[in-house]
Amino acid sequence: DIQMTQSPSSLSASVGDRVTITCRASQSINRYLNWYQQKPGKAPKLLISAASSLQSGVPSRFSGSGSGTDFSLTISSLQPEDFATYYCQQSSSTPRYTFGQGTKLEIK
Amino acid sequence: EVQLVQSGAEVKKPGESLKISCKGSGYRFTNSWIGWVRQMPGKGLEWMGIIYPGDSDTRYSPSFQGQVTMSADKSISTAYLQWSSLKASDTAMYYCARSPAIRDGMDVWGQGTTVTVSS
Repeated sequence: DIQMTQSPSSLSASVGDRVTITCRASQSINRYLNWYQQKPGKAPKLLISAASSLQSGVPSRFSGSGSGTDFSLTISSLQPEDFATYYCQQSSSTPRYTFGQGTKLEIK
Repeated sequence: EVQLVQSGAEVKKPGESLKISCKGSGYRFTNSWIGWVRQMPGKGLEWMGIIYPGDSDTRYSPSFQGQVTMSADKSISTAYLQWSSLKASDTAMYYCARSPAIRDGMDVWGQGTTVTVSS
């Protein structure tokens, strides 16, 4: 199975900060990489698909990049509503799609 | 509005069977995939598998193959996840989610169904 490793596992930051979360695949997944945001008690929300395609309605402060094995999610200026847990997911290897372990973004 | 509505919380005993549902609306149910994701208490997301309601093509994660069964009834736009014999370790939140194509991200999510298995 393709392993997805996110870093860091947790992160403290302040409103207005620029934050980057990385996701590394154990083998090449081309650009089949999705990013989700999950708030406590809520279902996940798709932010970015295909490594860099921003979903409709997602603020432009979110961006994704990468291909092959190394990917990143950047939030350009943190807003209070962005404090959540973020997951990457590879959708390259059917039917073994896997999620990263998650990155919990907390308020400093 | 495109949405997926899941069935309500369940409390079951070990060894019992269970079938939970996920009803789609606001889009052509047969033209997208429905995936299932498990989240155990306090843990991360686990991808379980995916089904295409149009022809019931189903792909299971090896971790869940043989442990659950996915199905769909396209006549009522509903997908199902079922267990024949629950274990305590099946206690979790289960989400269904839509993928427009098999390799797409999951763009619409159900609200989740909590399954509690306890003697």
